[in-house]
Amino acid sequence: GQQLNQSPQSMFIQEGEDVSMNCTSSSIFNTWLWYKQDPGEGPVLLIALYKAGELTSNGRLTAQFGITRKDSFLNISASIPSDVGIYFCAGPEGNKLVFGAGTILRVKS
Amino acid sequence: DGGITQSPKYLFRKEGQNVTLSCEQNLNHDAMYWYRQDPGQGLRLIYYSQIVNDFQKGDIAEGYSVSREKKESFPLTVTSAQKNPTAFYLCASSRRQGGSSGANVLTFGAGSRLTVL
Repeated sequence: GQQLNQSPQSMFIQEGEDVSMNCTSSSIFNTWLWYKQDPGEGPVLLIALYKAGELTSNGRLTAQFGITRKDSFLNISASIPSDVGIYFCAGPEGNKLVFGAGTILRVKS
Repeated sequence: DGGITQSPKYLFRKEGQNVTLSCEQNLNHDAMYWYRQDPGQGLRLIYYSQIVNDFQKGDIAEGYSVSREKKESFPLTVTSAQKNPTAFYLCASSRRQGGSSGANVLTFGAGSRLTVL
């Protein structure tokens, strides 16, 4: 099936830093979704994108639907400790949703 | 409040035993899904169902079985044929795929962690 390449695989953040991650696919999507998963919990939807070029914000989070429709980006501004977790991108493949492998955000000690 | 309830949260199983994970939703969603999560591998689809009494295999269905007798319920059985069942299992639901925007959005349960002893 379709594979989504998500990068980076993991990153360390310091409170106050901006964070960027991205997701690419080999085929065109008409929807991009970004989820966050806290440890031991299910993923929760952060942002949904439905149109190429669309830029959508949710508080300190901003996501963009790439103009080629094969990529998407998620930015977190002024990170805080509760931003740690796993961030997944996802897109539809037929009547299923496929997920990237996730970007793990950890806090620098 | 509407949502998805998975139970149990933690489950231990001896080798050779079948176990069933429960998933119930009150969102009036048509479609339901089971994913398996292993460290560093993201979410892999086991089975999905778009309508009552019908379901399809996902990417890693071997060693698992499901039923969809009611719209609200989609239990997953991990059989003894599953060679490496220790994992975190996530159930999700959505409005029927395709059609209007928003239909692809999945709502997840809190997950069930299965450990084989």
